[in-house]
Order: sequence, then C-alpha cells, then structure tokens
Amino acid sequence: AQSVTQPDIHITVSEGASLELRCNYSYGATPYLFWYVQSPGQGLQLLLKYFSGDTLVQGIKGFEAEFKRSQSSFNLRKPSVHWSDAAEYFCAVGPLDTGRRALTFGSGTRLQVQP
Amino acid sequence: KAGVTQTPRYLIKTRGQQVTLSCSPISGHRSVSWYQQTPGQGLQFLFEYFSETQRNKGNFPGRFSGRQFSNSRSEMNVSTLELGDSALYLCASSLALSTDTQYFGPGTRLTVL
Repeated sequence: AQSVTQPDIHITVSEGASLELRCNYSYGATPYLFWYVQSPGQGLQLLLKYFSGDTLVQGIKGFEAEFKRSQSSFNLRKPSVHWSDAAEYFCAVGPLDTGRRALTFGSGTRLQVQP
Repeated sequence: KAGVTQTPRYLIKTRGQQVTLSCSPISGHRSVSWYQQTPGQGLQFLFEYFSETQRNKGNFPGRFSGRQFSNSRSEMNVSTLELGDSALYLCASSLALSTDTQYFGPGTRLTVL
C-alpha cells in the first residue's frame, strides 16, 4: 500500500529565511507526487506536481520541489519565506492506475513564520 | 473559470441524523472525488465518481454513500451520524485521466453533536 510521511509536524522559520519541508513516500512504482497548501478554514490549493521528466519542479508562489527516486523523497523548498506562507502543507501521492485517482496524503506540516 | 463549489459550507447535526453534502465541479470536469479531513486521521479518501459511476471507494462504512449526476455535480450522504463523523469534507474535481490534477473546493465543515 502506498504511504506518505511528513516527519515534521510543525516548523517555524523567520521571514526571509529559506524553507525545506520534507516528504517521503512509499510506492511500488513511480508515483505522481503533489504538494498542496491549506490556509485555515480553506480547501487545498495545488502548489506543484510531478508526473515525469525533470525532477526539479517549479510551482506557484516561488515554491519548488525535487523528486529523488533513490531517497523516495519529494521535498518542498522556497528560498525566501513570506509571512503569507504561514499555512499547513500537505504532500500527496497518486496512483498510476488510470482507473483510480485516490490521493494518499501525508499528515501535514504546519508552517509558522516569525516576523 | 469558477472553481469547485461546495454547499453548505457549515452544517450542524445531531447523532442519528443524516446529512447530504453537495459539490459542483469545475466546468468541463467529469471526475469528482470526496475526502474527509479530521485532526486525528488527517485527509482520507472517501470515493470517486466519473460519468455517474463510482470508480473507487475508500475504507469507510456503508453509512457513507455518494452519487454523481449527468451534469457531473456530486452529492455525498452520511446516514446515522456519529460524533466521529465531525470533519471537514472536501470535494475535488479533475478532467478525466489519472494524470489530471485534482482541484479542491473549500469544503463543508460538519459538526455532529
């Protein structure tokens, strides 16, 4: 069964500092990988996704993620964090089976940004 | 293009009642998936509908059901509500293929008293 692990429940960074959120997955083949962000009381907004090709993926709001097959990781990075980035971040993996579209989510990482 | 809409946004019910939640996907999207989000269990897949057919179902009891209409709008129903059903229920829509991105609505916050 597929699974996603986000080892950091809560991270605090200073505004302007760099950010890296960790994500490790377990899946039998090359998965589809996603990062979503959720602000309080809101739904999920897609930041970026990886299906194939270049392992460094650029997303919205200045975020990027790198797929490392050897480490089963898909870490999210941002060079300079803004106060508006405070939110909860979810890594998710999707199956390759065209008949199934269920996403498996990690438990999330809550990001706090200090002024 | 309008995003995924979910109604109602907030709902309060008592144990034993039933509830119906509605989701309107992005125009042109034919797949609708439902997820439950709770502090304890996180985000869990409920089911997915495509062309009015349930294509996939998560590990939830039969009290949770859904359907999709010909216009791709979807409803989910929870019967005999339990306290543990209190959650944010998220709907996501996508075009058709498994590679298509799922776009999420704002969710319906269900509180069971």
